[in-house]
Amino acid sequence: EVQLVESGGGLVQPGGSLRLSCAASGFTFSSYAMSWVRQAPGKGLEWVSAISGSGGSTYYADSVKGRFTISRDNSKNTLYLQMNSLRAEDTAVYYCAKAGTTVTKGAFDIWGQGTMVTVSS
Amino acid sequence: IQLTQSPSSLSASVGDRVTITCRASQGISSYLAWYQQKPGKAPKLLIYAASTLQSGVPSRFSGSGSGTDFTLTISSLQPEDFATYYCQQLNSYLGYTFGQGTKLEIK
Repeated sequence: EVQLVESGGGLVQPGGSLRLSCAASGFTFSSYAMSWVRQAPGKGLEWVSAISGSGGSTYYADSVKGRFTISRDNSKNTLYLQMNSLRAEDTAVYYCAKAGTTVTKGAFDIWGQGTMVTVSS
Repeated sequence: IQLTQSPSSLSASVGDRVTITCRASQGISSYLAWYQQKPGKAPKLLIYAASTLQSGVPSRFSGSGSGTDFTLTISSLQPEDFATYYCQQLNSYLGYTFGQGTKLEIK
């Protein structure tokens, strides 16, 4: 079964750090780009960051650039998001998502269940 | 690239035909996807490449458009279709923008 399982969320103080993980199974992880998408409480979806299958290329939303770092370990089939200098506005459910192929124009065809990050003092 | 969905919310009845539109601030060819999200759940891919139905998605869902104007149509609403729908552009690594969402509610 193709599956993504996030972990690492929790409560953190403003200015603090947190690392999210996303464990992938059921597909050849290294063959696909991956993304993080977040959703603040009661709000819409916001793309956060993306990484190529090899890990050699990374991309960020302006809102997190310089504070968040996306990475992957293809030997462990795991995606990461290191979040530093956290702000209250980073409070959200964070989803990892698998990008499809060129046929699907990279649409996000598999999503994890999400992990909640709360930034509050 | 900005995506503007309309309407933001919509009330409809079972059996109705509904259309949601998504307009891009610049041309994105057919690099557009549609997702359905139910409360407390992850989004689900419905349509990719603007008009191709994802495997397993009922045929009452359809998508059309290219360039800047896109539509998602549900031909005959079923009770399980009441949810929030998002479009997403995938044309640029500058940001895989989502629309603001359209909440489809039961009338």
